[in-house]
Amino acid sequence: QSVLTQPPSASGTPGQRVTISCSGSNSNIGSNTVHWYQQLPGTAPKVLIYSNNQRPSGVPDRFSGSKSGTSASLAISGLQSEDEADYYCAAWDDSLDGWVFGGGTKLTVL
Amino acid sequence: EVQLVESGGGLVQPGGSLRLSCAASGFTFSSYWMSWVRQAPGKGLEWVANIKQDGSEIHYVDSVKGRFTISRDNAKSSLYLQMNSLRAEDTAVYHCARAYFDLWGRGTLVTVSS
Repeated sequence: QSVLTQPPSASGTPGQRVTISCSGSNSNIGSNTVHWYQQLPGTAPKVLIYSNNQRPSGVPDRFSGSKSGTSASLAISGLQSEDEADYYCAAWDDSLDGWVFGGGTKLTVL
Repeated sequence: EVQLVESGGGLVQPGGSLRLSCAASGFTFSSYWMSWVRQAPGKGLEWVANIKQDGSEIHYVDSVKGRFTISRDNAKSSLYLQMNSLRAEDTAVYHCARAYFDLWGRGTLVTVSS
């Protein structure tokens, strides 16, 4: 049972827009920034969005992040086959004094 | 090249010990918090421990407190994880990661089994 809650799966067709939610509490998302990671099969995770809505250089602007209260979302527009991966959210938790991750969302491009 | 390279994983019996290392290069290692994050086979990511730039502040996930020790050597740009009293549930790929996990190593596999 992860501290941050994500849907286990999501799907879309090429070109579509999909969103992945991440729900937490006042001690984590409500108090700290949220970061998103993409993990392609057989590889290490890679940061996709940091500090709620910032994109590292090299990440396409098809990827965007937002946060409201104790929830956050990752949106992917213009879905492509290479977006098929696992996506994780993470935030620092002030009560646990540690980082917490969502359980991960497996994105399938139909 | 900016990178993190882990080493030290392997097969160990329950109750045994292992020491993981992470070599950093291409950036000023001493300027960053560093973490260990693990991923059990077929499972999600789990943060294990982190350490402040000068080693003065350390945090652990509850499941490893008292068994694992994180440390660093800024002169060698290296991060370590001493793992004692290993359990089957510690089996995972262990990654070192920088700050808010903006940089990851490929990981090293730790298998705890008799």
